[in-house]
Amino acid sequence: KAGVTQTPRYLIKTRGQQVTLSCSPISGHRSVSWYQQTPGQGLQFLFEYFSETQRNKGNFPGRFSGRQFSNSRSEMNVSTLELGDSALYLCASSLGPQTGSGELFFGEGSRLTVL
Amino acid sequence: GEDVEQSLFLSVREGDSSVINCTYTDSSSTYLYWYKQEPGAGLQLLTYIFSNMDMKQDQRLTVLLNKKDKHLSLRIADTQTGDSAIYFCAEKRVSGGSYIPTFGRGTSLIVHP
Repeated sequence: KAGVTQTPRYLIKTRGQQVTLSCSPISGHRSVSWYQQTPGQGLQFLFEYFSETQRNKGNFPGRFSGRQFSNSRSEMNVSTLELGDSALYLCASSLGPQTGSGELFFGEGSRLTVL
Repeated sequence: GEDVEQSLFLSVREGDSSVINCTYTDSSSTYLYWYKQEPGAGLQLLTYIFSNMDMKQDQRLTVLLNKKDKHLSLRIADTQTGDSAIYFCAEKRVSGGSYIPTFGRGTSLIVHP
């Protein structure tokens, strides 16, 4: 079974631009969550989607948004990029938000550098 | 992740046991997890423990849970250089009618010969 796939793996943007990151979950998984990882703040929850609906949102500004498609693939978008948005963005999939142990399967991440 | 606390670094000699500690705050957390992150990779679930258990053993890994003190630990027996990584403690917390994992900031385990 293929794992969680995130694209692109690396990207460089400049301040003010916008970026879209993509995540394909494990087949059969319907829940996708996004995390921002930085050396200073650690791993911070961005949002979670299940059945194309956002179920939870972390404490991030409105510049951070996401969506989920009917095939469970998800995208997140960051508009008006700031230097502080430089981070590793991790996507994780699971069967569902309240299913069993809630084990998360992570992708390898998209490393965003904002210049 | 600020409500889940972990020490940032641990250095051990190859062959020794490693113990990584974590404290959490939400007593209603149903599951507690340990994830491992190797350089340049995402997180991988190592093991988890249900809140009604005190201990779980899985090969070289032993998880101890003290619910009274909200303390979780991960012991790695016979630590190898391949165990060098960042280890994240996480709790499954109820939020907005759903469960979301909340992570600590990670403990960097350094194994030296």
